[in-house]
This record gives sequence, C-alpha cells and structure tokens, in this order.
Amino acid sequence: GAVVSQHPSRVICKSGTSVKIECRSLDFQATTMFWYRQFPKKSLMLMATSNEGSKATYEQGVEKDKFLINHASLTLSTLTVTSAHPEDSSFYICSARDSRISWNTEAFFGQGTRLTVV
Amino acid sequence: TQLLEQSPQFLSIQEGENLTVYCNSSSVFSSLQWYRQEPGEGPVLLVTVVTGGEVKKLKRLTFQFGDARKDSSLHITAAQPGDTGLYLCAGVVYNQGGKLIFGQGTELSVKP
Repeated sequence: GAVVSQHPSRVICKSGTSVKIECRSLDFQATTMFWYRQFPKKSLMLMATSNEGSKATYEQGVEKDKFLINHASLTLSTLTVTSAHPEDSSFYICSARDSRISWNTEAFFGQGTRLTVV
Repeated sequence: TQLLEQSPQFLSIQEGENLTVYCNSSSVFSSLQWYRQEPGEGPVLLVTVVTGGEVKKLKRLTFQFGDARKDSSLHITAAQPGDTGLYLCAGVVYNQGGKLIFGQGTELSVKP
C-alpha cells in the first residue's frame, strides 16, 4: 500500500532555534499534503494544506510565519517551525493522498514527529 | 467552519462489553472515515463510508453513516483488550482536495 514517510520521528531543540520536518510520499504523487498538530490524548488539528508549486493554505489561528510550509515537488512537503518555543512542543503529523484518485479515498498518514522544545 | 462532535471522549469498559462511539455534525460531508491511532504513531484508516445510510462491518466493528451524511457511529461488539486505543472520526470536506475534519477522538480502554 501507499506509504508516507515522515522524518524525523523525534526531535529535541533549544528554544529560539528552527526545526524542519519532512513528509514524503514514497510510491505515489501528492499535489496536496496536510499538516496536523496533536496534543496528548487529543484529536488531530489541521494546521495547513500544502499545495505543490504554490502557497500553503493555513487554517484560522495558525501563524504562517511561524509554521513555514514548502511543497516543492510532488512527493515532498516540509514544515519548518521557526524560532521554536516550549509551547510549540507537540506531535506533528502529515498526510497525503494519491493525486490521481478521487478525494473519497484513503489519506495516508506519516508516522508523526514528536517535537520537544527545551 | 465545519465541526465534528465525537462522543464519548473517554470510555473504560470490561472485556466482552459492547460500545458505541458517535460523530455528529451540522454539515454534510463527502464521506466519513474512521481511524485508529496508537500512541506515538499516525492514524490508520479503518473504514470509509460514502453513501447515506451505509453500514459496513469489519469483524466485530460496525460502522454506520447517517442518511443525511452528517453523522456516523462505530459499534464494537464484545470488546477485547486489543481494541484499546484512540478512535477518530474524520469528515472529508467537499471540493477541498481531500481535506479532513477530525472529531475530538475517543480514548477507549478495555480491561481484561
């Protein structure tokens, strides 16, 4: 089945530094990828929609300058948490769909990235 | 803004009991999906329901999509400790590239 690889799975960084998280579709093309944030024992909160070759669409309340998204190819989207602070510590998850299939099909999720800002 | 209300958010039951999780919305979705998530991992799709009134079964799990495509339920029969986990419903939004709106999730604990 289709696989989405997310890297790194865990990262610890110092407050004020930036962290880049990668999301790759390994065996399919994805013109659209999605980035979610999840707090412990809570549901997934959609942060933004990553569009290949164009600007990402951010959900209300998500700072676009804080969470930079780049979708430079059909198989790779990156989320950069800039000037990270402890309150940015969370579980970040990406998902992608095969662009050749209709919208009513499975979204494949990455393994998630546990970010801890100290 | 489309919202999905999922309930209950926490459920602790004994092995062998039955349970039902509900997802409700005032909005119509293209389809609705149910996921299960283990700690530290991404969600894994259990089922997609597309047609209003549709019922799908996956072993001891029964999924139903409301006639108006605004609500769904997950029923587990004779729950087992292996069913323990976070269950998430997600609505697929029309014409937005596969965008999903997730419910709050249900943390299920099945005790032996």
